[in-house]
Amino acid sequence: DAGVIQSPRHEVTEMGQEVTLRCKPISGHDYLFWYRQTMMRGLELLIYFNNNVPIDDSGMPEDRFSAKMPNASFSTLKIQPSEPRDSAVYFCASSWVLAGVGKETQYFGPGTRLLVL
Amino acid sequence: DQQVKQNSPSLSVQEGRISILNCDYTNSMFDYFLWYKKYPAEGPTFLISISSIKDKNEDGRFTVFLNKSAKHLSLHIVPSQPGDSAVYFCAASDSGGSNYKLTFGKGTLLTVNP
Repeated sequence: DAGVIQSPRHEVTEMGQEVTLRCKPISGHDYLFWYRQTMMRGLELLIYFNNNVPIDDSGMPEDRFSAKMPNASFSTLKIQPSEPRDSAVYFCASSWVLAGVGKETQYFGPGTRLLVL
Repeated sequence: DQQVKQNSPSLSVQEGRISILNCDYTNSMFDYFLWYKKYPAEGPTFLISISSIKDKNEDGRFTVFLNKSAKHLSLHIVPSQPGDSAVYFCAASDSGGSNYKLTFGKGTLLTVNP
């Protein structure tokens, strides 16, 4: 399996522009997570989906952030309009849960490094 | 309000010696704990985990210890190798019900010197 795929790997944009980050989870995984990593706050969970349905978006910082998962193999995280403080590395992760056996292990993509000027 | 804390931002160890990375948590509902390793320009990768029903889990050179009363866990790497140099994240989950969120610490940069 190719693992979790994220695109683009790097994005440089100007303040006010719309940014769309993309993620393809591992086939068969039914959970998808979006994280943001910054020096100040570390790895923060933004939102996660189960079977394409958003379960918890309490980590989404503002209304400027939105995430969708139109099908089991694709998700987007959109920032509109972007601001310099959104500069961070954004990770997508996926997992599955083995019912009655144990707990999830999340598999992370390589991340998208976003710089908003 | 950091529920998972890694108080040492960095640690330097000599090759062959033991590396001990520490993690503290405040949420008593956490019942599953994981360690992830991250190399530069890559995503975190799962290393080892432990359920709250255990106090130790071992996988090769890696051992995780859990002290529930102290709300403390540690990762031991023996012997340490230069390839172990990476950022190590501690994570915790309250896996009761349908909550599969992981809460991460800020990470500890481990440098293993040859």
